[in-house]
Amino acid sequence: GAVVSQHPSWVICKSGTSVKIECRSLDFQATTMFWYRQFPKQSLMLMATSNEGSKATYEQGVEKDKFLINHASLTLSTLTVTSAHPEDSSFYICSGIRQSSYEQYFGPGTRLTVT
Amino acid sequence: QKEVEQDPGPLSVPEGAIVSLNCTYSNSAFQYFMWYRQYSRKGPELLMYTYSSGNKEDGRFTAQVDKSSKYISLFIRDSQPSDSATYLCALTTGSARQLTFGSGTQLTVLP
Repeated sequence: GAVVSQHPSWVICKSGTSVKIECRSLDFQATTMFWYRQFPKQSLMLMATSNEGSKATYEQGVEKDKFLINHASLTLSTLTVTSAHPEDSSFYICSGIRQSSYEQYFGPGTRLTVT
Repeated sequence: QKEVEQDPGPLSVPEGAIVSLNCTYSNSAFQYFMWYRQYSRKGPELLMYTYSSGNKEDGRFTAQVDKSSKYISLFIRDSQPSDSATYLCALTTGSARQLTFGSGTQLTVLP
């Protein structure tokens, strides 16, 4: 398999502040990375797809100005939740995929709590 | 109709049982099939990946794909309490690399 890490694993922030979540592929080059959010007892909901060096493609209904995604290198993508609100509280998970591959490898997730 | 339907469970079995987890899909463009295991508050872990009809075995796990019936299954032999988790099927067409997930089946293996 392949290893993806996320940092932090859990973050609590106050309403109105911004939070950055890092996603790293540790032993492979991820030409494409994905960001998901997951609510309790529900499946994963794709938020955006990012290719290294390109702007992210956001799914319908996801505010690109609120969820800023940067994929500056083949091993690092970041998700910044700007002006966070309590309704943004969720479990955020990233995944990476190698070029010419379809297997997605997921990070351990980041639990965001906005108070 | 959802593109991917997964038996919702929850499923509870005794230790040592054979577990069958199933998904059906409607889009014949799906060509690549994956099964993930997700423990509570963790990211999904890739268990099996296949792209052809038939069976693929890896240890206690067997993935089965029937493209003609648009039906995929994951079998777990000699189930263990550590197998207790939510299992997600995930499919992709290949041209679009995004995964389409089933809703997940929660499995509990009782000691």
